[in-house]
Amino acid sequence: GQNIDQPTEMTATEGAIVQINCTYQTSGFNGLFWYQQHAGEAPTFLSYNVLDGLEEKGRFSSFLSRSKGYSYLLLKELQMKDSASYLCAVRDAAAGNKLTFGGGTRVLVKP
Amino acid sequence: DAGITQSPRHKVTETGTPVTLRCHQTENHRYMYWYRQDPGHGLRLIHYSYGVKDTDKGEVSDGYSVSRSKTEDFLLTLESATSSQTSVYFCAISEIMDIQETQYFGPGTRLLVL
Repeated sequence: GQNIDQPTEMTATEGAIVQINCTYQTSGFNGLFWYQQHAGEAPTFLSYNVLDGLEEKGRFSSFLSRSKGYSYLLLKELQMKDSASYLCAVRDAAAGNKLTFGGGTRVLVKP
Repeated sequence: DAGITQSPRHKVTETGTPVTLRCHQTENHRYMYWYRQDPGHGLRLIHYSYGVKDTDKGEVSDGYSVSRSKTEDFLLTLESATSSQTSVYFCAISEIMDIQETQYFGPGTRLLVL
């Protein structure tokens, strides 16, 4: 099976930076996804990492280290609208390439 | 949103009744998924499809069946709904280009089983 861990909740100030960590254990790693989900809405895709390193998309960046089973999502220049849950998900080739999601990290941005 | 719609968006039903949820996509994607999302459990895969008439089970498939008779539609059926199946159900598709994969979710269906 898989084990995906991410913090339950984080609080940060508008304009600041927040880093959301995700650690995973899998026997056939084949990609890691980050999603944003506002309350009552569907998850929206943020990033996909399959190779080690940093992927940057505007204010959001995602990092992957396959050897450490570790990823983080970095949110810069935080805005109030960034208050949401952030979901880490891992694809496992040893499990039919299905996605397994972590429980999500709720980020609260304060003025 | 990759042209994904779900119907109905909200449904209230009684225990023991059959329920079918529909996922429709307009962009000819091969892979389609059904998830449920519950507090304390996150998103969990129910069933998925990798082509017409090709489906497989996810981690919480008991009590659910699926069908995919054409590319654009993926149906999820609760044969006899139970209160434990009260949840928010999301459909998703995968778009794959080279090594980049993107999974898009539909708007969700809120199901209440009384």
